[in-house]
Order: sequence, then C-alpha cells, then structure tokens
Amino acid sequence: VLTQSPGTLSLSPGERATLSCRASQSVTSNYLAWYQQKPGQAPRLLIYGASTRATGISDRFSGSGSGTDFTLTISRLEPEDSAVYYCQQYGSSPWTFGQGTKVEIK
Amino acid sequence: EVQLVESGGGLVRPGGSLRLSCAASGFKFSSYWMHWVRQAPGKGLVWVSRINTDGSSATYADSVKGRFTISRDNAKNTLYLQMSRLRADDTAVYYCARVGIGARPLDYWGQGAQVTVSS
Repeated sequence: VLTQSPGTLSLSPGERATLSCRASQSVTSNYLAWYQQKPGQAPRLLIYGASTRATGISDRFSGSGSGTDFTLTISRLEPEDSAVYYCQQYGSSPWTFGQGTKVEIK
Repeated sequence: EVQLVESGGGLVRPGGSLRLSCAASGFKFSSYWMHWVRQAPGKGLVWVSRINTDGSSATYADSVKGRFTISRDNAKNTLYLQMSRLRADDTAVYYCARVGIGARPLDYWGQGAQVTVSS
C-alpha cells in the first residue's frame, strides 16, 4: 500500500512543494514513479526509479528517497503545476498507485 | 510521435459486455508490454491488467479477474480489453498505457475511454 501526504497542498507561485509517498513495505529496486494529472487529461510520467526525470520534464521537478519513503519536490511553483500527483510502485506485481496529492496554486 | 488512442467506450447495462480497443502508432508496438489502468469518477488511478509483448502472459487485478480479458494483435498494433459481467463499480475512464524500456513504468498513456455501467 502506498500512502501519500498531504491530501491537498495549497501554495503560492514561487514556493516549494514537498509531496510524500510512504510504502507499507520496501519498494523493490526503488522502482517508484511519480505522475502528474491535470483535470480531463491522462496522467503524465514525471519521475521514475525514484529520482530520474522522464524525457522533457522540467528540472523544477525532482524525486528522492529509497526503501519505503519517497518525496517529490517541485521547486519554484508555477500556475501550470496545479494538478493531482500520484506515486506508483512498479517493482512488484500488482503495480499500485497512491491515492494522490492535489496541489493548488493560490 | 507515440500515440495511443482508445475507443469502444460507452453506456452498458449491468451484466453486459464491452470491448475497448487501443490503437498504437509511432513505435514498434510488438516490443512493448502494455497495461490498462482505470479511474472512477473523482477517484484515483487503479491498475487493471497487463500483457506481455507476444500476448502469451496476462495479469489481472483481483477486482476484474475472471470477468475481463486483455489481448493484443501485434499485426494491427492494437491492444484490447474485453469486459464482461460488468458492474456499476466498473464505471470509470479506462486508459491504455505503454511500459517503457529499461525498467521504466508507464511512459505513454492514451486519452482514455469512458465506460458507464448503469441501468
């Protein structure tokens, strides 16, 4: 089970967002991904392998962590970062998602 | 450009059946594992099923096991999800997604197909 916190984060443009994803057991090989989903759109891969940015993703997005505790950091928030962010483990079957963190830009 | 386009969604009565298709283009479809993920209205992402490159191996979430069947036609570059004995809690947007090469997760997603199960 992946548990994300907080449920909602409300921040101003330029601030830093820190999103947490905690696994109930160690994630195999740190195969932990982060996705961004905006309303009415499909999810978009941001980070894989806990810390590697996917192709074309801004360096404002960074991932860290290992084992059971992982973090997605969005530095210098921009209005377009308003979305729901999901973590996912893909190291063991079945792949599972966290419940999501909604980031609101004030 | 990688593209995944779902079709076949719609309104179906409880107990009915529906087949979703996912047309792939812009990459060598036969080289990639493929997944289906769904999202109920206002809810999070839930993994549904996956299939290997040649279609010889498939895995399902417990909630759909025995009711859904994933398959693929590599000659037609198309992924399928046959859904039967549908229930109200199967109502969701269904996304097909590609597994990236080299220990990567789902790197490309389709736009989704709406499935509504209601009488």
